[in-house]
Amino acid sequence: GIQVEQSPPDLILQEGANSTLRCNFSDSVNNLQWFHQNPWGQLINLFYIPSGTKQNGRLSATTVATERYSLLYISSSQTTDSGVYFCAVGPLNQGGKLIFGQGTELSVKP
Amino acid sequence: DGGITQSPKYLFRKEGQNVTLSCEQNLNHDAMYWYRQDPGQGLRLIYYSQIVNDFQKGDIAEGYSVSREKKESFPLTVTSAQKNPTAFYLCASSRGREGKLFFGSGTQLSVL
Repeated sequence: GIQVEQSPPDLILQEGANSTLRCNFSDSVNNLQWFHQNPWGQLINLFYIPSGTKQNGRLSATTVATERYSLLYISSSQTTDSGVYFCAVGPLNQGGKLIFGQGTELSVKP
Repeated sequence: DGGITQSPKYLFRKEGQNVTLSCEQNLNHDAMYWYRQDPGQGLRLIYYSQIVNDFQKGDIAEGYSVSREKKESFPLTVTSAQKNPTAFYLCASSRGREGKLFFGSGTQLSVL
């Protein structure tokens, strides 16, 4: 099956710093989404981005489907950005299944 | 408010017991999903349903069962055949097969 690899696995930032999280996948997809899981376990959908670039406030994401990767940019990080960021991909012809990566755990220090 | 409601928040299972986790959505979404999350891990798909009265096995369906009798409800039963049920269970829904996924707040299941 498709492999989804996220890097780095852990990241510690000082408040105000910028960061880039990466998601590589091993096969063609028609769906890619980024999520943030807060310390209480709630998952929030950040982006639905099978291709192209989107921005939402301090966050932006880019997916290059032909090269099988996606990037999530966090600018001017805040302590509330802490948590785990997951990338999930939907392989072609698999009826809407989303396969999750292992996540990047981000800790933003004041 | 529109959203996905999971209950209970915490659940304890005795050996040999079946337990059912509830998931209700009022988003009018066609597709619903159950995921399992173990500590420090990503999410793994248990079952999903694209339409009422139809569902498909995910990657780790053994020891679990589901039903989809109503569009808004997708309960998950953890059977006694699931030997390692302790995990965080997340229910999700989307408008269509490849739509944006929204999650409930999760149920933490533990074994007594």
